[in-house]
Amino acid sequence: GAGVSQTPSNKVTEKGKYVELRCDPISGHTALYWYRQSLGQGPEFLIYFQGTGAADDSGLPNDRFFAVRPEGSVSTLKIQRTERGDSAVYLCASSPSLAGGINEQFFGPGTRLTVL
Amino acid sequence: DAKTTQPTSMDCAEGRAANLPCNHSTISGNEYVYWYRQIHSQGPQYIIHGLKNNETNEMASLIITEDRKSSTLILPHATLRDTAVYYCIARFRGSSNTGKLIFGQGTTLQVKP
Repeated sequence: GAGVSQTPSNKVTEKGKYVELRCDPISGHTALYWYRQSLGQGPEFLIYFQGTGAADDSGLPNDRFFAVRPEGSVSTLKIQRTERGDSAVYLCASSPSLAGGINEQFFGPGTRLTVL
Repeated sequence: DAKTTQPTSMDCAEGRAANLPCNHSTISGNEYVYWYRQIHSQGPQYIIHGLKNNETNEMASLIITEDRKSSTLILPHATLRDTAVYYCIARFRGSSNTGKLIFGQGTTLQVKP
């Protein structure tokens, strides 16, 4: 079956612009995570959705970052007034059950964001 | 979640076993040890997890010491395709846990012909 997909695979934008990154999780997965990975570092947690609600957004760096999952499936990560420091690979992962379980997370290939 | 410590890099000859160590001396009784790997330009991939017993699946074996303060991931017959960054993560299991993964720097495993 299809895995987690993310679009676009690459996004180049100019400083100050607005961007949206999309994640299509595996069908039926209720948990969805966003991570950010800077060059040479491990992925860093941003936000977690259980269904439609953001159950943990403690990793969002500031209020320029926002994410939605209106129907409990597809999620969009939105970044306003982009800065050069936002350049990174943004990873999405989904999991089939509640967070308290021990199920693995399935990661997408990521979106490489470059802010010029 | 408990902090884990891994060597920065390791080499392994193709066809030999790769043994990747991880220290998690502050791990609690409710924390599982998870291993993920990330091949260049791909998203992380789940490998295996365990609590206190040794575990084996089609990808690898996980050996956890009796005191649970360290573990070793074993790839029995490493291939060039196993070249990747390997992450050891201690993850709390419980209803209050969001399930987020806290990644460290990981170990870069280079499998050489």
